[in-house]
Amino acid sequence: RKEVEQDPGPFNVPEGATVAFNCTYSNSASQSFFWYRQDCRKEPKLLMSVYSSGNEDGRFTAQLNRASQYISLLIRDSKLSDSATYLCVVNSNTGNQFYFGTGTSLTVIP
Amino acid sequence: EAGVAQSPRYKIIEKRQSVAFWCNPISGHATLYWYQQILGQGPKLLIQFQNNGVVDDSQLPKDRFSAERLKGVDSTLKIQPAKLEDSAVYLCASSLSVRAYEQYFGPGTRLTVT
Repeated sequence: RKEVEQDPGPFNVPEGATVAFNCTYSNSASQSFFWYRQDCRKEPKLLMSVYSSGNEDGRFTAQLNRASQYISLLIRDSKLSDSATYLCVVNSNTGNQFYFGTGTSLTVIP
Repeated sequence: EAGVAQSPRYKIIEKRQSVAFWCNPISGHATLYWYQQILGQGPKLLIQFQNNGVVDDSQLPKDRFSAERLKGVDSTLKIQPAKLEDSAVYLCASSLSVRAYEQYFGPGTRLTVT
């Protein structure tokens, strides 16, 4: 079983739409969770960390559900510039090993 | 602030040849990571250094891959001999420490093995 699983999409949504991505992880002892963004043929960049209480950064909201072992990312009022691949990242219980999901592709359509 | 530097940006080699990639992390970052990203997949950690020591290399194919960070700054990743399935982007990332969770990635080296 993979450490981190994501729906690869693609998600094609119109501008202004709300879109949500989910990610599940297999190790219940995982400590830290993140969403990274990767533009086409570019390197990944940290979008936001995911805290137990949930956190929001502008149009982006991240949630963690430890009981069900999944994290989510909600994007409100989608912009064309949000088009990218969103990578779910989980840090192991030892703190040393980072596991990336395969990424979810988002295209925002005018 | 300068970012993570990598070279070369692109490399094409034939199978069974050798290749080496270089990474210079952000100044002051103690932790350095090498990832392999195959097209359509997420990055897979190959090896992680804390200063010049290896923290984790459990997913490094040690029969053909090697990496070093002798002085705790720059790092090189070598493949010898290369196989077709090694075609991927090799990403280097750094962070302030093992427990500093934000990783900063370099632009990557795109390797094609023919």
